[in-house]
Amino acid sequence: ETGVTQTPRHLVMGMTNKKSLKCEQHLGHNAMYWYKQSAKKPLELMFVYSLEERVENNSVPSRFSPECPNSSHLFLHLHTLQPEDSALYLCASSQRLQGAVGELFFGEGSRLTVL
Amino acid sequence: KNQVEQSPQSLIILEGKNCTLQCNYTVSPFSNLRWYKQDTGRGPVSLTIMTFSENTKSNGRYTATLDADTKQSSLHITASQLSDSASYICVVSATGAGSYQLTFGKGTKLSVIP
Repeated sequence: ETGVTQTPRHLVMGMTNKKSLKCEQHLGHNAMYWYKQSAKKPLELMFVYSLEERVENNSVPSRFSPECPNSSHLFLHLHTLQPEDSALYLCASSQRLQGAVGELFFGEGSRLTVL
Repeated sequence: KNQVEQSPQSLIILEGKNCTLQCNYTVSPFSNLRWYKQDTGRGPVSLTIMTFSENTKSNGRYTATLDADTKQSSLHITASQLSDSASYICVVSATGAGSYQLTFGKGTKLSVIP
């Protein structure tokens, strides 16, 4: 299997549920990212894991918590979400080169609906 | 504040015709500019990446141009096909502090009709 794989592709959850999104990259990259894509808005960076460094967007609510057990796997744990969190969540990977973001490779996304 | 503005927001063209999408940016210091194609409900796929020194780059029927002086880029699609129907996203990367941050445009939604 190649590229960036995300599961599940679709998720419907209630506001009191706890769920997780999973991402796996088979490209040998050293950086992985979570982005949120809402309708008619630009992609919003949520979290970055690169070379054991974690960078987060301070505007992301604490009900989203990332986990990166190794360079190939990335999770996004979801708990007590709100309906406005409904969006397409995209995982991406790249090489981190001299402080710059290399070419991004995206997964197919996880479409989240919060009821 | 770093910004990327794309125009038009949406575009409908007949199959076989050409079209040009625009991207204006105010990102500094500039590192590179990228164009992505995103099919509905799918993840974005990279089309081109251009650095400061490159002013034209092609990928099949897609040709991107970059004018770093005016901070403008365009994506030209030649002989459009139905499969070109997608959103096209312009992304600009900066160097230096916060270099994880890419600035994304909202995209241009292209519909190619028979």
